[in-house]
Amino acid sequence: AQSVTQPDIHITVSEGASLELRCNYSYGATPYLFWYVQSPGQGLQLLLKYFSGDTLVQGIKGFEAEFKRSQSSFNLRKPSVHWSDAAEYFCAVGANQFYFGTGTSLTVIP
Amino acid sequence: KAGVTQTPRYLIKTRGQQVTLSCSPISGHRSVSWYQQTPGQGLQFLFEYFSETQRNKGNFPGRFSGRQFSNSRSEMNVSTLELGDSALYLCASSPRTSGKPNEQFFGPGTRLTVL
Repeated sequence: AQSVTQPDIHITVSEGASLELRCNYSYGATPYLFWYVQSPGQGLQLLLKYFSGDTLVQGIKGFEAEFKRSQSSFNLRKPSVHWSDAAEYFCAVGANQFYFGTGTSLTVIP
Repeated sequence: KAGVTQTPRYLIKTRGQQVTLSCSPISGHRSVSWYQQTPGQGLQFLFEYFSETQRNKGNFPGRFSGRQFSNSRSEMNVSTLELGDSALYLCASSPRTSGKPNEQFFGPGTRLTVL
């Protein structure tokens, strides 16, 4: 069965600190993986995607993610968090039908 | 290019009523998917339309239906509303290029409140 697990419901980091959000997936075919960000009351904005090739992908806003097939993971990272990064982050897997994780809420302390 | 637009942005209905939500995809995108987002269940896939045909369907009751028009605009209908249908309904469009993976671009959503 296809599924995505985001183990961390809520994370708090200080501004300027590094960030890693975890994502594990279960998918029966070649996984196409995505990270989206959602600000309160808004839709989802695509941060980055992995289809194939280089397992380290760069996205917008200074985010990157690494695909590790052996661990079925696609963790999101940022070296230095800004206050404006506070939002809900969703990992997703799929082709034409996406399966989303339950999200990780990020709080940034000034 | 204009993004995905959804109308209305907010809606209040009462139990038993029906509602229709509208989605206009990005120009040139032929696939439209609908998702329901609630605090308890997260983001759940409702259905996908491509070239006016439903291609994929999630695990929702028949009260939830949709359609797509020849210009790729899509509508979603929920009949006999229940309190549990209160949610943010998100529409996403995709070019759905054959043989290639596609990313989905999301609209701002329609916030439905059922009283």
